[in-house]
Amino acid sequence: DTGVSQDPRHKITKRGQNVTFRCDPISEHNRLYWYRQTLGQGPEFLTYFQNEAQLEKSRLLSDRFSAERPKGSFSTLEIQRTEQGDSAMYLCASSPRDSPYEQYFGPGTRLTVT
Amino acid sequence: GIQVEQSPPDLILQEGANSTLRCNFSDSVNNLQWFHQNPWGQLINLFYIPSGTKQNGRLSATTVATERYSLLYISSSQTTDSGVYFCAVTPHSGGSNYKLTFGKGTLLTVNP
Repeated sequence: DTGVSQDPRHKITKRGQNVTFRCDPISEHNRLYWYRQTLGQGPEFLTYFQNEAQLEKSRLLSDRFSAERPKGSFSTLEIQRTEQGDSAMYLCASSPRDSPYEQYFGPGTRLTVT
Repeated sequence: GIQVEQSPPDLILQEGANSTLRCNFSDSVNNLQWFHQNPWGQLINLFYIPSGTKQNGRLSATTVATERYSLLYISSSQTTDSGVYFCAVTPHSGGSNYKLTFGKGTLLTVNP
């Protein structure tokens, strides 16, 4: 059983560039979550998918952020026109149908905007 | 929204010592999980424990849902236990969104 995987693990980009991150959940997990973690803080919820439907977005997710899960499997998180304040660890989690509350996290993508 | 408070914020131990980490939450919950974040940032699941007591090796956890707190016990600590420990909850009022609200964590340092 492979865990949640995320790609890339690290991304350094210049302010104003677009970046895209990918998350592959544990096989057959129908729920997928994105969180963001800044230094010294706990992760904060960004958005949530049940299968391919995006059911909730946090106020933290500005118009520059978009997430998709086109076939209910992997998900992508895109940030357009990156700003220095976007520098953070972006974490993906998934949970199974029969235990929806128990979330399993990937290793994260650490974004640095210069 | 629900508030999650963890204490202490920092804890330094000598190898072999025992410790207790606490998590208080402000509303009734459907879910409570304890995680260990390693130095590379990976969140490792320790316990899924909305109520009751569980044990896994040197670690155990107890959640008293009616009193809105959970405790994580680490016995005979090892240097590899170092890292940040997070408590995270899903409120009862969350509907079908099972999003987790995290505390700020406890930074544990175990010295040899």
